[in-house]
Amino acid sequence: SAVISQKPSRDICQRGTSLTIQCQVDSQVTMMFWYRQQPGQSLTLIATANQGSEATYESGFVIDKFPISRPNLTFSTLTVSNMSPEDSSIYLCSVVAESYGYTFGSGTRLTVV
Amino acid sequence: ILNVEQSPQSLHVQEGDSTNFTCSFPSSNFYALHWYRWETAKSPEALFVMTLNGDEKKKGRISATLNTKEGYSYLYIKGSQPEDSATYLCAFMDSNYQLIWGAGTKLIIKP
Repeated sequence: SAVISQKPSRDICQRGTSLTIQCQVDSQVTMMFWYRQQPGQSLTLIATANQGSEATYESGFVIDKFPISRPNLTFSTLTVSNMSPEDSSIYLCSVVAESYGYTFGSGTRLTVV
Repeated sequence: ILNVEQSPQSLHVQEGDSTNFTCSFPSSNFYALHWYRWETAKSPEALFVMTLNGDEKKKGRISATLNTKEGYSYLYIKGSQPEDSATYLCAFMDSNYQLIWGAGTKLIIKP
């Protein structure tokens, strides 16, 4: 199954700034998914990134806050914009693996101070 | 609103003991139930994808059962080892292939 390299693994950011998270997949994939896990909460899908079209955002998430790029079939970025402490979370990218399972990046642990 | 509940939230188990925990999910529009193991600073790792009522799957010392009629799945770990320490996540996939995740059970194995 695919291997995903996700960067950065962690960061501490000042409120009001932005952070861009990158995911590189070792094979071509149609869809990439971006998740967030806030402390003590479930994994929550932010958006689905499709190559060649705009990302599809889930309820409660907007493009201005979480712009996504998908320039080709192996790469995607998620930007967390104008950060506040409530954005402190683990951010994960994932792709569909075989048998309906998913492969994940190793996550970005973001702390906003 | 569909909810996936995992219990307990956290669990301390002595090395060598066996343990189990629960994932409860909606009993309608079921397509599949996923279990993942997530170790700190690593990627979540797929353990099982279960689709049939009554299914039982096994991977080494870890096994899982599925009851889609009543909406629950159990994950069992036999003879716990320190490397089993992780957060175990389950996710319900509905008939539209939408995934809904539980908040996880954090397992800590005490040597």
